[in-house]
Amino acid sequence: SAVISQKPSRDICQRGTSLTIQCQVDSQVTMMFWYRQQPGQSLTLIATANQGSEATYESGFVIDKFPISRPNLTFSTLTVSNMSPEDSSIYLCSVEDLRKGSYEQYFGPGTRLTVT
Amino acid sequence: QKEVEQNSGPLSVPEGAIASLNCTYSDRGSQSFFWYRQYSGKSPELIMFIYSNGDKEDGRFTAQLNKASQYVSLLIRDSQPSDSATYLCAGAATGANSKLTFGKGITLSVRP
Repeated sequence: SAVISQKPSRDICQRGTSLTIQCQVDSQVTMMFWYRQQPGQSLTLIATANQGSEATYESGFVIDKFPISRPNLTFSTLTVSNMSPEDSSIYLCSVEDLRKGSYEQYFGPGTRLTVT
Repeated sequence: QKEVEQNSGPLSVPEGAIASLNCTYSDRGSQSFFWYRQYSGKSPELIMFIYSNGDKEDGRFTAQLNKASQYVSLLIRDSQPSDSATYLCAGAATGANSKLTFGKGITLSVRP
């Protein structure tokens, strides 16, 4: 499967600040997905990032709060803006590894964010 | 609203037993289903996927899909303590670049 890395792996931030999370893949992929996993909860899709176009956000998530960049086919960033303690979560990027000819999604190691 | 539900749990089985994990979905447009295993503090790891009605076996794991009844299950044979984790069921519409809808997950504990 595709090898996915994320930076940072964890961070502790003060409320009101912003954090940019990077996701790097070892192969070119069309779509990259950003998920949030709040403590003790399942995964919720934030947005889908397609190279060369605006990200598509899910209900309840807006670009001003979670701006996303997708400058090329192997890289994406998610920014969590104007953070509050409610943003404390694990943020995960995922990709489909279409080299296998099927549609499985694989996840990066995640970024554990704590907002104080 | 598209939903994937995993209502039972937590589940505890003795080592060597069969663990049965169940999942139902509400969106008949969902065509692909995935089982992820997530250890505490780690990201989800894909262990099985199934697209067609029936059973799909991979080692100790068997995924079952019944589209008429809208349920998906995962059987783990000869359960091991290392299988203790949270198992997440996810559904997607068919085709590439389909977003996943996750259930809440079920925590499995395998007793030595």
